[in-house]
Order: sequence, then structure tokens, then C-alpha cells
Amino acid sequence: KQEVTQIPAALSVPEGENLVLNCSFTDSAIYNLQWFRQDPGKGLTSLLLIQSSQREQTSGRLNASLDKSSGRSTLYIAASQPGDSATYLCAVPYAGGTSYGKLTFGQGTILTVHP
Amino acid sequence: GAVVSQHPSWVICKSGTSVKIECRSLDFQATTMFWYRQFPKQSLMLMATSNEGSKATYEQGVEKDKFLINHASLTLSTLTVTSAHPEDSSFYICSARDLGGLGYTFGSGTRLTVV
Repeated sequence: KQEVTQIPAALSVPEGENLVLNCSFTDSAIYNLQWFRQDPGKGLTSLLLIQSSQREQTSGRLNASLDKSSGRSTLYIAASQPGDSATYLCAVPYAGGTSYGKLTFGQGTILTVHP
Repeated sequence: GAVVSQHPSWVICKSGTSVKIECRSLDFQATTMFWYRQFPKQSLMLMATSNEGSKATYEQGVEKDKFLINHASLTLSTLTVTSAHPEDSSFYICSARDLGGLGYTFGSGTRLTVV
């Protein structure tokens, strides 16, 4: 059974700091890994999708890396802003299955960026 | 990009009544959709996989007679919570796989409160 762990559970930083969120998974036989953002009481917004053949993906101030062999992914946020405050979730497809959308989520990292 | 529309965004109902939640893929066809449940300050748990034209596949521990899923068209899946009880109060989110390979798109969620 795939298990996904995110560290830290919560993070509070001043505006402008660069920060790293960590995600680890127990079964490295994944097809991809996806990072999401969730604002309170809202659905999920996809941030980055990394295919298993890729090492990293970048979008604006966000950079996500993937190391399948070690079962780890990191989400790097540069020059954080108060608007980045949200819960960040990483997710991988169910272990042993194809990418049919059954995702296993980590518990999330609650990020607070204060002015 | 792919958009999934979920309605209603929130609903309050009385114990014993049924509530229907709709999930629509607006600009793509989704033969498969997924229903998740999220308790406060917890991550998402997959409830069931909705398959167009066939029966849904439920995860272990999810009562299929309580959570009725219908996927009658390529763009619409519905989740009906039958004979709702206060313990069914939760945040329900649907998702669909973006066939363009961009990962999985989520609806905005439905906050269900049973009183």
C-alpha cells in the first residue's frame, strides 16, 4: 500500500523567504507525482505534475523535483508572498496501478507567509 | 485547461434526507471520475471511482448503498448521499483525469452539513 508523507506539517515564514516542502512515498513504482494547492474550504488547484521520467518541473516561482529511487519529491517556492499561504498537497497514483487517477495524498503542509 | 465544475458548493440538509452532488467536466470528456472525502484538517481519501456507463468501484469501507454514484454521460457524474446523518458531514471533492496528460483536475468541492 502506497503511503505518502509530507514534512513539515506546518510552516510559517516571513515574506520573501525561499522555502522547501518535502514529500516522500513508500512505493517508487509511480507514473507521476503531482503537487496541489488548497485554500481553506476550496478545491484543489494543480501546481505541477512531474512524470516519472522527469527530474523536475518549473512554473514561475515554483520548482518541483522528483527522485523516484529514493521516494522523494520537493517543492521549492522562491521569494514567498502572503498570497502563497495555503495547504500544499502532494499526490501519487495508487501503488501498482496505472495512472487512472486513483491518487494517494499526503497529509499536506500548511504554509503561512506573513508580511 | 481542463475544468471540472462541482455543484453545489455547500449544502445543509436534515438528517434522513438525501443530497445529490454533481461533477461536470466542462471542456473534455471524462470516462472516469473520482470522488474524495476530506475531514477537517485531514487529507483527501478516495471514496470511489465513477465509470461512465458502468457501476462505480468503491474503496474498502465505503458503503455503496449510502453513497450512490451515477455516471450517465461522458461529462457528468453524481454522488448522492442517501439517508444522511451528521457523521456524513464533510467536504466532498470530485476529480477527473485530464486526457491531455496534464494530471488530474479537481472540482471546487462541496461542503455538506447534516443537521
